[in-house]
Amino acid sequence: EIVLTQSPGTLSLSPGERAILSCRASQSVSSSYLAWYQQKPGQAPRLLIYGASGRASGIPDRFSGSGSGTDFTLTINGLEPQDFAVYYCQLSGSSPAALTFGGGTKVEIK
Amino acid sequence: QLQLQESGPGLVKPSETLSLTCTVSGDSISSSTDYWGWIRQPPGKGLEWIGSISYSGSTQYTPPLKSRVTMSVETSKNQFSLRLTSVTAADTAVYYCARHHRRFFEWSLSAELVWFDPWGQGTLVTVSS
Repeated sequence: EIVLTQSPGTLSLSPGERAILSCRASQSVSSSYLAWYQQKPGQAPRLLIYGASGRASGIPDRFSGSGSGTDFTLTINGLEPQDFAVYYCQLSGSSPAALTFGGGTKVEIK
Repeated sequence: QLQLQESGPGLVKPSETLSLTCTVSGDSISSSTDYWGWIRQPPGKGLEWIGSISYSGSTQYTPPLKSRVTMSVETSKNQFSLRLTSVTAADTAVYYCARHHRRFFEWSLSAELVWFDPWGQGTLVTVSS
């Protein structure tokens, strides 16, 4: 079973700053299987990034994903007020046991 | 625009069975080879995938819950359902349904379940006597 560890747990930033969120897998994985979601309070998660770097439909280009192997990053350039939320990474794979979510990173207003 | 809506009892007694239905609108469940999934989130905690089902009834369940989970699909109503037996307080959560995308990878010569999009708004199910 692969474990996804997200860091930091909380990121305190000001609007306009850059957020860099990390998602680390306990063993090497295919980047094709890595996705990122945004969740605001009281709302369902929303897909941001698929296949580690593909931007989902309607997602602004200030959101970008990168990485390979065990280390993946979600970058938000120029934080806007609506970007303060919790972000989750998610891994899938060739078996049901491979599907897992990271613990989340909260991006809060400093 | 594809939309999903969960429905079902908000309160279930311990040891009983949790039953939820997801109604899909804006597209037919049968229109693609994508699956349809359930994910839950205990209050204040992270996300846990429960399982997913295809329009033809093929299922994949997360191993920790496999013995208690049954999913079904009713294409005529454009719905799919979740049953979770022998619930305890640990099953208290917001339950989401979502489209579970499936992608073919040439390097593995197989189609794999990947990301979830879109999601329903979620429904809170509390397990309590």
